[in-house]
Amino acid sequence: SQQGEEDPQALSIQEGENATMNCSYKTSINNLQWYRQNSGRGLVHLILIRSNEREKHSGRLRVTLDTSKKSSSLLITASRAADTASYFCATPSNQAGTALIFGKGTTLSVSS
Amino acid sequence: NAGVTQTPKFRVLKTGQSMTLLCAQDMNHEYMYWYRQDPGMGLRLIHYSVGEGTTAKGEVPDGYNVSRLKKQNFLLGLESAAPSQTSVYFCASSYRGSSNYGYTFGSGTRLTVV
Repeated sequence: SQQGEEDPQALSIQEGENATMNCSYKTSINNLQWYRQNSGRGLVHLILIRSNEREKHSGRLRVTLDTSKKSSSLLITASRAADTASYFCATPSNQAGTALIFGKGTTLSVSS
Repeated sequence: NAGVTQTPKFRVLKTGQSMTLLCAQDMNHEYMYWYRQDPGMGLRLIHYSVGEGTTAKGEVPDGYNVSRLKKQNFLLGLESAAPSQTSVYFCASSYRGSSNYGYTFGSGTRLTVV
């Protein structure tokens, strides 16, 4: 069963605009991770945010976590065509050890 | 430094045939995982391993077996392939559990069962 659910399913923006993706999850977690997947490739780890953190930055990425609402957001500032990819949130499973459970992803398209 | 290497990259099987997918990592990671990715379904965990000689079932283990005889290798076997196993398979590894570490993924194996 899916733990995290991303919203929206698809997002189209112009280069230079900001892109915001959201993730909601169901049960308590100790961390949440975001991954990027370019077409035909494997997933790449972007950022891990722990349950005691509210916000984390990495370059043009900003991730927030609201444990009271069981939600997280990924903001990509000043988007580039190279940011075109699918983005997934992932949370540790409550059943399969601490293996990550992935959402279905948000497909981001950045046009120039 | 290759990271996680999956072989083969593509394969077409006939229903009932068997095959083994190989995953190799050179990062001395303890944990390894097999996922399948289907359109509209995201990634689903098949099996995982928390160390050499250990394996455990994930969300969708039926029809698959795994072995972790060496720390660097994690094999996924299909004993009798079915069309429902047509998918893209991803292997991943992590230094320890996901509480503190992100995953490194391979580039995937695209399997078609006809």
